Amino acid sequence: KAGVTQTPRYLIKTRGQQVTLSCSPISGHRSVSWYQQTPGQGLQFLFEYFSETQRNKGNFPGRFSGRQFSNSRSEMNVSTLELGDSALYLCASSDGWGPNGYTFGSGTRLTVV
Amino acid sequence: GENVEQHPSTLSVQEGDSAVIKCTYSDSASNYFPWYKQELGKGPQLIIDIRSNVGEKKDQRIAVTLNKTAKHFSLHITETQPEDSAVYFCAARDSSYKLIFGSGTRLLVRP
Repeated sequence: KAGVTQTPRYLIKTRGQQVTLSCSPISGHRSVSWYQQTPGQGLQFLFEYFSETQRNKGNFPGRFSGRQFSNSRSEMNVSTLELGDSALYLCASSDGWGPNGYTFGSGTRLTVV
Repeated sequence: GENVEQHPSTLSVQEGDSAVIKCTYSDSASNYFPWYKQELGKGPQLIIDIRSNVGEKKDQRIAVTLNKTAKHFSLHITETQPEDSAVYFCAARDSSYKLIFGSGTRLLVRP
């Protein structure tokens, strides 16, 4: 079956702009989580959605937001981009409660200039 | 909240040797500990996981051990091969069901 699909793969934005990233989970998976990966901070949890509801949230500013649609696809949005938002954004899906057996997508590489 | 520490940050071994990566966690309520392998340009891939009611789990050349008392868990790779070269992450599921990751270990297997 198809894996977790993240689009776009690469993105270059200017400071102050906003960006929307998309994640399509494995068919049948209802939990989608987002992580930010940077060389200095490693993998940092952003938020998790389950059945269109945000179930968990990490310690990121309100500029980072997300949502999940009825087909389990998820989007995350970052407003007023800062240079420090440059990172690999990873989406992971699972079929049950919590992060059991997460399957990650290949990520979206965001560069803010 | 949960904190996961991972060591070493880099590890270089000769092909055929064993590699061991160690992690410690802080939240005694954590009960699920997966390990991920990340290759260049790809997302992390789950390679093995262990739950707190089990002390050891093995899958071919990889094994994971868990010491709940000491809050330690380790990944063991035997008979390493060049294709094992990657970044490995340990993680722990905290009491609010978030997965907290270690800082990663870059493993290099020299042919």
